[in-house]
Amino acid sequence: DAMVIQNPRYQVTQFGKPVTLSCSQTLNHNVMYWYQQKSSQAPKLLFHYYDKDFNNEADTPDNFQSRRPNTSFCFLDIRSPGLGDAAMYLCATSRDRWNKQFFGPGTRLTVL
Amino acid sequence: KNEVEQSPQNLTAQEGEFITINCSYSVGISALHWLQQHPGGGIVSLFMLSSGKKKHGRLIATINIQEKHSSLHITASHPRDSAVYICAVLSETSGSRLTFGEGTQLTVNP
Repeated sequence: DAMVIQNPRYQVTQFGKPVTLSCSQTLNHNVMYWYQQKSSQAPKLLFHYYDKDFNNEADTPDNFQSRRPNTSFCFLDIRSPGLGDAAMYLCATSRDRWNKQFFGPGTRLTVL
Repeated sequence: KNEVEQSPQNLTAQEGEFITINCSYSVGISALHWLQQHPGGGIVSLFMLSSGKKKHGRLIATINIQEKHSSLHITASHPRDSAVYICAVLSETSGSRLTFGEGTQLTVNP
């Protein structure tokens, strides 16, 4: 049974056109994370929510925003995608900050 | 120098071989993850360790906190084990932030 679900799996957008990626979880975990992974690189943490508390990484561009309307869902909004934002976007959850992280299948974003 | 280093970077094996991937880290940690990523795919969390040894099927992970070292072993390797294996640590001071190794590309040939 899928525990961390990401939609869509593949997303194509145009340069500058806003896009929203979705993540949902059935684990009732407190923490939800968004990572960006570019080709042949390690994932890079963009931000995470601990419950409703939003924690932004210092080097995450302002172009990237996130919303967590309830425990189960978390969204990644890219306001004006650039070519450099093409990447795999991974959502992960954990029960608490110090617990094992469970990753979703990722959304591969292409920017034309 | 990266805080998390893996070796080897690339590993090719024949089906059935015993495989070891190593991870060394330079910071104090609260836990260490071993992750698996297939080409173009998402990440599967294999183990989270803070001490000792864990086993799941053909996979075994060990950690030596004093030596700041962990190993991932695959027994009776199979072509479907071909993937990138990533070591990631949760440091004592980083909060929720995982620090990732560069990954080890494993190819198992039939």
